Amino acid sequence: AQSVTQLGSHVSVSEGALVLLRCNYSSSVPPYLFWYVQYPNQGLQLLLKYTSAATLVKGINGFEAEFKKSETSFHLTKPSAHMSDAAEYFCAVSEGSGYSTLTFGKGTMLLVSP
Amino acid sequence: NAGVTQTPKFRVLKTGQSMTLLCAQDMNHEYMYWYRQDPGMGLRLIHYSVGEGTTAKGEVPDGYNVSRLKKQNFLLGLESAAPSQTSVYFCASSYGLGRGGETQYFGPGTRLLVL
Repeated sequence: AQSVTQLGSHVSVSEGALVLLRCNYSSSVPPYLFWYVQYPNQGLQLLLKYTSAATLVKGINGFEAEFKKSETSFHLTKPSAHMSDAAEYFCAVSEGSGYSTLTFGKGTMLLVSP
Repeated sequence: NAGVTQTPKFRVLKTGQSMTLLCAQDMNHEYMYWYRQDPGMGLRLIHYSVGEGTTAKGEVPDGYNVSRLKKQNFLLGLESAAPSQTSVYFCASSYGLGRGGETQYFGPGTRLLVL
């Protein structure tokens, strides 16, 4: 069975500081991993995804994530936070070469202060 | 393209009332999904469909029914609403290649309050 753990329900950073949002997964087979972002009162949109190609994945808005199999992690980073990055971020996993549904983590709210 | 749209945006129900949430997509996607989002719980899959005329149960299907009579529409029904169904409901769709790694495209959500 697949599962996702996001460490920290809230993360606070100052504008210009490094953003690090943590995600660990559990999967019995090679996983596909996703980060989605949700801005206030909106639906989710894809930031980036890992589909077994390069382990360092670059996404939109300057975000990137690195797949580390040995650590079962897929942490999201951005070198310099902007006020506009304030949102809720969800890590998600699906597994296997055949079709499977997505399992989401509980989400991390990113707060950016001036 | 409008993408994924949801109707209504907000609804208040009394306990025991019924309602249907409509999801429509104009991307010719094969797969569609209904999720609920509750504070601190992330998104949980209610039901999904891998094609017109097919539906399947997700993680939290109890109290909900769905129908996919047309490829572009996916309906979520609450036959007898309960306060525990107060939530934000999201519809999503994906292309439907039959393998993992597909991006899901989300609608803007429906806020439901059951009194």
